[in-house]
Order: sequence, then structure tokens, then C-alpha cells
Amino acid sequence: DAMVIQNPRYQVTQFGKPVTLSCSQTLNHNVMYWYQQKSSQAPKLLFHYYDKDFNNEADTPDNFQSRRPNTSFCFLDIRSPGLGDAAMYLCATSRVTRAYNEQFFGPGTRLTVL
Amino acid sequence: DQQVKQNSPSLSVQEGRISILNCDYTNSMFDYFLWYKKYPAEGPTFLISISSIKDKNEDGRFTVFLNKSAKHLSLHIVPSQPGDSAVYFCAAGLFAGYSNASKIIFGSGTRLSIQP
Repeated sequence: DAMVIQNPRYQVTQFGKPVTLSCSQTLNHNVMYWYQQKSSQAPKLLFHYYDKDFNNEADTPDNFQSRRPNTSFCFLDIRSPGLGDAAMYLCATSRVTRAYNEQFFGPGTRLTVL
Repeated sequence: DQQVKQNSPSLSVQEGRISILNCDYTNSMFDYFLWYKKYPAEGPTFLISISSIKDKNEDGRFTVFLNKSAKHLSLHIVPSQPGDSAVYFCAAGLFAGYSNASKIIFGSGTRLSIQP
């Protein structure tokens, strides 16, 4: 089945220790998104890639970076995680069309910062 | 500033009855709206959408109503079933040019519990 896969599902890191979250997709979609979701809050878009073009949200901290080496994979790098970065991180994909932007989500990675 | 608001964090409905989930938005320029459903330990999955030029869209037991003058939309589930118990996110989007990917803005979600 075509899908969006996120690894690991649970990640524990130490305060200030760099961490990388991974997302892969078999849908061959040209857009990949990273969202941060804290408890009982709306998913918040951090950035997205349209093919190789990186689009950062204005309020995304510099601490968050992303890489997309090919169509299938996208990584979220947190350079120096703080306690406030503990959250669920969701990866999503979509095709660029004029139709509704139906996004397909992975199961998420829950990040804990100790 | 939340552009998409779901003011009810939770809702409990008896099995077989109608579930109504509400959503308000502030930006009159949104082109379309979507509802997503999320089970624990899974990512959100697309449920139903509606264009801003329509006032109703129906798909089986799910109907979304849009009231543009009130900047309000609602999701109706009839009849409600135990498997409908989940968190429901309202989202709104703007069409982008062909060189850009459109983005959607989510509400904070409503947890729906269907009681037997």
C-alpha cells in the first residue's frame, strides 16, 4: 500500500543534543510537509518542500532544519532541542493540483526531551 | 492569532444519534475546507472537503455544511457509530499558483466519543 512512513515512532533525546526525524513516502508526491503538534493544539506547519524547493514558515525557529535528498525522503533536524520542543512531529505529503490540498499524513514521531 | 477555531474540545454522542462538530474561521479568503479524523497513534486521515463556493457536501454518513456569511462550518455524522470515536480536525486552505504548494491551517480538534 502507498503510504507515508515515519521513523522512529518515539524518540527520546537530551536537552541540547541534536536529533533527526525521518519521513519517507511511496506516493510519489512532490510536496512534503513537516508539522509540530503539541498536546490539544492544532498541528502547526514548520516548513514544506515543493520538489527541491524549501519553504520555511516565518515563525519556525532557526533550531529546526530540513533536508530532502530525493522525492521519497525528508528529514527534520532539530539542532539543539529544548524542553519546549517536546511534541508530536507529523510528516505529510500531497500532489500540487488546483484541487483541494488533500494531505496524507504519517503516524507521527513523538519526541521527548529530557 | 488562530484563523481556524474549534471551540469544543470534546463531544459525547449516543450511538445512532447525530454528531455535529463545529468550526469557525476568520479569513474570508479561504478557498476550501477539509475535515480530518485522527485515531490514537495514527496520523490524521482525510475525511471530507468542501469548496468555498458550495454550502454543502455529502459523502455517505458525513455531511459538511458551510455558512460563509457566518464564517462557520460544521460536520454532521448520521448515524453515529462507535468507530467514529476519534479526534476531528477542521482545516482551511488557499489555492496557490502552479509554482507553489497550497497550505492548510488546522483547528485544534474536537474529541468525539460515541457512547453505546
